[in-house]
Amino acid sequence: ELKVEQNPLFLSMQEGKNYTIYCNYSTTSDRLYWYRQDPGKSLESLFVLLSNGAVKQEGRLMASLDTKARLSTLHITAAVHDLSATYFCAVDKYTGNQFYFGTGTSLTVIP
Amino acid sequence: DAGVIQSPRHEVTEMGQEVTLRCKPISGHNSLFWYRQTMMRGLELLIYFNNNVPIDDSGMPEDRFSAKMPNASFSTLKIQPSEPRDSAVYFCASSFRGLPQHFGDGTRLSIL
Repeated sequence: ELKVEQNPLFLSMQEGKNYTIYCNYSTTSDRLYWYRQDPGKSLESLFVLLSNGAVKQEGRLMASLDTKARLSTLHITAAVHDLSATYFCAVDKYTGNQFYFGTGTSLTVIP
Repeated sequence: DAGVIQSPRHEVTEMGQEVTLRCKPISGHNSLFWYRQTMMRGLELLIYFNNNVPIDDSGMPEDRFSAKMPNASFSTLKIQPSEPRDSAVYFCASSFRGLPQHFGDGTRLSIL
């Protein structure tokens, strides 16, 4: 069974600081997705990483994928309060079908 | 596009009652997924369909749960009889050929 692990599970950081969330997965996959979920809301797609070495950036968030290490990172630069949310990574074992979600990282940015 | 549409948004019912959750996927998407989210267990995949055919239902907790997709634009998840431990947020998502899954707003289910 494919396992997806995120760390940390909880992250409290001050505004203006940088931090990285890690996503490890247990079997070969070339596709990795990052989602954001605000409290009481649905999951919103942030990034789709489709190949080894892929890097995507949107505002203060940058995601990367290393398929050889089975690792993706979500880097937060100069955090602001609006980034407070839970972030999930997901891997699909068979293209286009079942996703395996990580446990989520609950991020709180403190003013 | 209207996105994935789920109904109802909230459901409160008594233990033992039948509960039916509904989902309309994004037009043109050929895969549909039902998830359950709780604080204790996180986000769990219950079942997914490809071209209206159930592919993997190994995540369905027990026989009280059933799901159908009679056509490309509609799916239901039914719980009968419902139990308090079924209380959760149920999400429906759809996708097309490996593009990211798009999630509905979810149904918040409370079983008393």
